Amino acid sequence: NAGVMQNPRHLVRRRGQEARLRCSPMKGHSHVYWYRQLPEEGLKFMVYLQKENIIDESGMPKERFSAEFPKEGPSILRIQQVVRGDSAAYFCASATQETQYFGPGTRLLVL
Amino acid sequence: DAKTTQPTSMDCAEGRAANLPCNHSTISGNEYVYWYRQIHSQGPQYIIHGLKNNETNEMASLIITEDRKSSTLILPHATLRDTAVYYCMGSWKGGATNKLIFGTGTLLAVQP
Repeated sequence: NAGVMQNPRHLVRRRGQEARLRCSPMKGHSHVYWYRQLPEEGLKFMVYLQKENIIDESGMPKERFSAEFPKEGPSILRIQQVVRGDSAAYFCASATQETQYFGPGTRLLVL
Repeated sequence: DAKTTQPTSMDCAEGRAANLPCNHSTISGNEYVYWYRQIHSQGPQYIIHGLKNNETNEMASLIITEDRKSSTLILPHATLRDTAVYYCMGSWKGGATNKLIFGTGTLLAVQP
């Protein structure tokens, strides 16, 4: 996990609020993946981004979720109007052509 | 992406080799076998990957059968810190997208 940074590590939101999760990839990596892990479940792919481009968002819920990876700065996963079912651990991974390296995750709790 | 089958759980004595099997009979010719592990809610940790040949690194060895329908991850001297869920996956190397499909994995419990 060395090098991939995520913040915040823990985030508490009330229903209807917005959640912003940040991911800074390893130095020199321009590919970022986001995964979600619901309680007691495995990780599920959400979205794959390169700088300024969304490459594959087939795992993203159709509403309320968006992701970006700007030219400068971290990748952002944004959840609008959070609901209790959004409570989960969100992991990002940055990648070389061969391997993905995961961050420590952000644990979102929706009250 | 290949469908993989792993035992739900395994035990191993500390200091002994842990051999974790994985069946991936539907893996295609260009898909690599990747192994990751997740230690108690931490981010998944990359272990090793391979295509056809056996591979070894500082963490583990990967033995892939000649027909590529199964593989075994070997931790040569398991420690208590190796207790984790181990995931085996088939994935394309490189290309436009390389998303990982996590199954349920094997919970390896290393016993003192």
